Amino acid sequence: DIQMTQSPSSLSASVGDRVTITCRASQGISNYLAWYQQKPGKVPKLLIYAASTLQSGVPSRFSGSGSGTDFTLTISSLQPEDVATYYCQKYNSAPFTFGPGTKVDIK
Amino acid sequence: EVQLVESGGGLVQPGGSLRLSCAASGFTFSSYWMSWVRQAPGKGLEWVANIKQDGSEKYYVDSVKGRFTISRDNAKNSLYLQMNSLRAEDTAVYYCAREGGGIDAFDIWGQGTMVTVSS
Repeated sequence: DIQMTQSPSSLSASVGDRVTITCRASQGISNYLAWYQQKPGKVPKLLIYAASTLQSGVPSRFSGSGSGTDFTLTISSLQPEDVATYYCQKYNSAPFTFGPGTKVDIK
Repeated sequence: EVQLVESGGGLVQPGGSLRLSCAASGFTFSSYWMSWVRQAPGKGLEWVANIKQDGSEKYYVDSVKGRFTISRDNAKNSLYLQMNSLRAEDTAVYYCAREGGGIDAFDIWGQGTMVTVSS
């Protein structure tokens, strides 16, 4: 099965900072990659699908890129409401494995 | 309003069984693949199983194969997860999620139901 890794596992940044999270697949998955945001005590929310397509209603400060095995999620200007854990997920074929998550908080 | 509502969670002894349900509303349930995803306390997300629109294809994560069965009733707009031979490591919040048509990622999630396996 394809394994998903994320780095860093956690980060602390200031409001307004540019934040980048990396996700890597152990084999190529084309662009079948999604990013989810899970705020503390809340349900996961889809941010980006097809590696770079912003889900409806998601702020434009979020963006995604990559294809094959290497992907990134970027928050262009970190806001207090972005404190959350971010997960990548492959969905090209079962199992639809999630990455281990990256916890983002405010410095 | 598009909505998924899970039910059926609770406390069960190791080796026991539990059936989770997920009631869908606000969209044409029979048009979508559906999944179950779980999250152990303080841990990350783990995809568990999914099922095709007509129930003809089902897939499972290795750790639940042979113990869990996913099913659906399109007439009742409902998704199910029958969990047998439960283990302590199955303790988690279980979410049902819709695989968005044309998106394929999980665009709608329920609020989750907690399953605790303990003696």
